[in-house]
Amino acid sequence: QQPVQSPQAVILREGEDAVINCSSSKALYSVHWYRQKHGEAPVFLMILLKGGEQKGHDKISASFNEKKQQSSLYLTASQLSYSGTYFCGTAQAAGNKLTFGGGTRVLVKP
Amino acid sequence: DTAVSQTPKYLVTQMGNDKSIKCEQNLGHDTMYWYKQDSKKFLKIMFSYNNKELIINETVPNRFSPKSPDKAHLNLHINSLELGDSAVYFCASSHRTGGIGTDTQYFGPGTRLTVL
Repeated sequence: QQPVQSPQAVILREGEDAVINCSSSKALYSVHWYRQKHGEAPVFLMILLKGGEQKGHDKISASFNEKKQQSSLYLTASQLSYSGTYFCGTAQAAGNKLTFGGGTRVLVKP
Repeated sequence: DTAVSQTPKYLVTQMGNDKSIKCEQNLGHDTMYWYKQDSKKFLKIMFSYNNKELIINETVPNRFSPKSPDKAHLNLHINSLELGDSAVYFCASSHRTGGIGTDTQYFGPGTRLTVL
C-alpha cells in the first residue's frame, strides 16, 4: 500500500519554511526522499533508516518516527531551486521494494 | 559522464505496435529497475534485476517484457501497445548493500511514451 503524502501542494515565498509529511499504514524500515523537477528524473535527497535518525542535506532535513510510521521533510529558508515535486518512497524491510507516495508539489516564489 | 541513460527520450507510436526502450548505467551498479510514472505522477515499480536475475516482477501485463543482457543494461520491450501504456518510463539503478529497501536509486532521464 502506498504511503500518503501531505500536503498535496504548497506555495512558498523565498526564505519561508515548509514541512512535507509521509505516512504509512504499515511498519516501515526505511524512507527515501526524492525531488523531481518538471520533465526531469527524480533526484535522491536522503534516506532514513529504522531508528528515528534525522538527516540533513543543505537546508533540507528529514526525520523518521518509526512508531508513528511517518517521516517529515523540512524545507528551511526555501530557495527558488527547491521548487519541484517531492516524493517519499518507503520500504517495509531491507529487502523490500520502494513504494512511492503521490508526491507534494512545491512552488517557491521570489 | 552520464550515469543512467535511456533511449529514446520520446516515443510516439500507434496502438498495436511493438516498441523497446533501452537503459544503460555506467555506475557499476548491480541492480536495475523499471518504473512507470502515469499522468497523475504516481511512480510505480514494474521490474527489478540484480546481476541479470529478475528479483521484482510486479503485476504488469505480460505484454511488458524486461531483458537484462548484462549488469549495465536493462531493456523493456512492450508488445501490442495500448492507449493506457502512455506514461513516462524511468530506468533506475542502485548498488546492492543492505537490500533494495535501503539502497540509493539513481534514475535515468525517462522515456515519454505516447500511444495514439
